[in-house]
Amino acid sequence: GDSVTQMEGPVTLSEEAFLTINCTYTATGYPSLFWYVQYPGEGLQLLLKATKADDKGSNKGFEATYRKETTSFHLEKGSVQVSDSAVYFCALSDQTGANNLFFGTGTRLTVIP
Amino acid sequence: ETGVTQTPRHLVMGMTNKKSLKCEQHLGHNAMYWYKQSAKKPLELMFVYNFKEQTENNSVPSRFSPECPNSSHLFLHLHTLQPEDSALYLCASSQRATGDETQYFGPGTRLLVL
Repeated sequence: GDSVTQMEGPVTLSEEAFLTINCTYTATGYPSLFWYVQYPGEGLQLLLKATKADDKGSNKGFEATYRKETTSFHLEKGSVQVSDSAVYFCALSDQTGANNLFFGTGTRLTVIP
Repeated sequence: ETGVTQTPRHLVMGMTNKKSLKCEQHLGHNAMYWYKQSAKKPLELMFVYNFKEQTENNSVPSRFSPECPNSSHLFLHLHTLQPEDSALYLCASSQRATGDETQYFGPGTRLLVL
């Protein structure tokens, strides 16, 4: 079945460091891919998405490229800020018609000044 | 603000209580979802409603009972819960049949069962 595997955390970085959170997926067909972010005490917010191979999603300085050949959708940011501290979830949407989301386990990022 | 609101934000209940969680979406979407988020586990999809009709029930115990009176409102009725049901319950909505599978989440209800 469809599934998402993302790197386990927690990840701790200094401010202005480069961030990569790895995400790989298993799916039949051509899923859409998402990154959601959850700030402390809040629900999930859509960060970015990509709907087909080679698409790049971007938002708030974060980027991720849909790589079909490696079945990956790694999240990157060139210079993290303290305000980026949150839990990041990779997800895919199946294409069976149900359009349900399959989530990874989440990666907690802490950015220290 | 995502356009999806949930009440209450926090709830403490005993195992013999009956309570309800409420979700409302202001986005004009036609599908709504309940998820359970427990520590160290992936998000668990509980129920899906599409045009007010329940289309999925992922083996959720009967002590959780969903209700969707219209496409903007979703309830989760709780009764005789167990301590292991303590979790963050998230509601989401989406617009199906448009090719956009993006789901928009509410802030969640943090539930503690004593």
